[in-house]
Amino acid sequence: DAGITQSPRHKVTETGTPVTLRCHQTENHRYMYWYRQDPGHGLRLIHYSYGVKDTDKGEVSDGYSVSRSKTEDFLLTLESATSSQTSVYFCAISEFSQSNYGYTFGSGTRLTVV
Amino acid sequence: AQKITQTQPGMFVQEKEAVTLDCTYDTSDPSYGLFWYKQPSSGEMIFLIYQGSYDQQNATEGRYSLNFQKARKSANLVISASQLGDSAMYFCAMREGNFGNEKLTFGTGTRLTIIP
Repeated sequence: DAGITQSPRHKVTETGTPVTLRCHQTENHRYMYWYRQDPGHGLRLIHYSYGVKDTDKGEVSDGYSVSRSKTEDFLLTLESATSSQTSVYFCAISEFSQSNYGYTFGSGTRLTVV
Repeated sequence: AQKITQTQPGMFVQEKEAVTLDCTYDTSDPSYGLFWYKQPSSGEMIFLIYQGSYDQQNATEGRYSLNFQKARKSANLVISASQLGDSAMYFCAMREGNFGNEKLTFGTGTRLTIIP
């Protein structure tokens, strides 16, 4: 168990407000990712991190920022939420070893922007 | 161009039959990996199976096998003896890049419904 916790699990917010989603992991994984899931699109990468203070953009990064000041926490911020950012957001970690190569996902955060 | 293509938006299969979910991919990276994930109605993403581009044999995990045809850039998931609990969304995904610049790209998914 990779020990990934996302918070909050559900959130409703108003257009124009800032929103921060948190991803917390307990096993010191270096690589962390934020995805959003929308019908007809599968999961799309927003931002990812390969270490403390090392982050980079994914394919749908506009309107989002991230921060990683500690190994265990990866924060996703919607600077000014819009209705198009209504989605389910997944955090993931990746791990590579001889016995395991994969990505483990958190339980998701359902965000509704009204 | 789509990196991962899943052409079956939905499938209905009789219980106990085998089912094949299609996935084709596009990459110029010689080192890549292919994953299948299951997403039940509860929403979590469950890892099923992984195939590396250099793996000589098709991956298997219990009732799941990955039919890897490298020349055709195809990585179909085969579920043997389907069960009602297999009803879910299934996503094919591809890993590209090297450590520090690695990304996982998903297809749009196939919704599988098992009929009793």
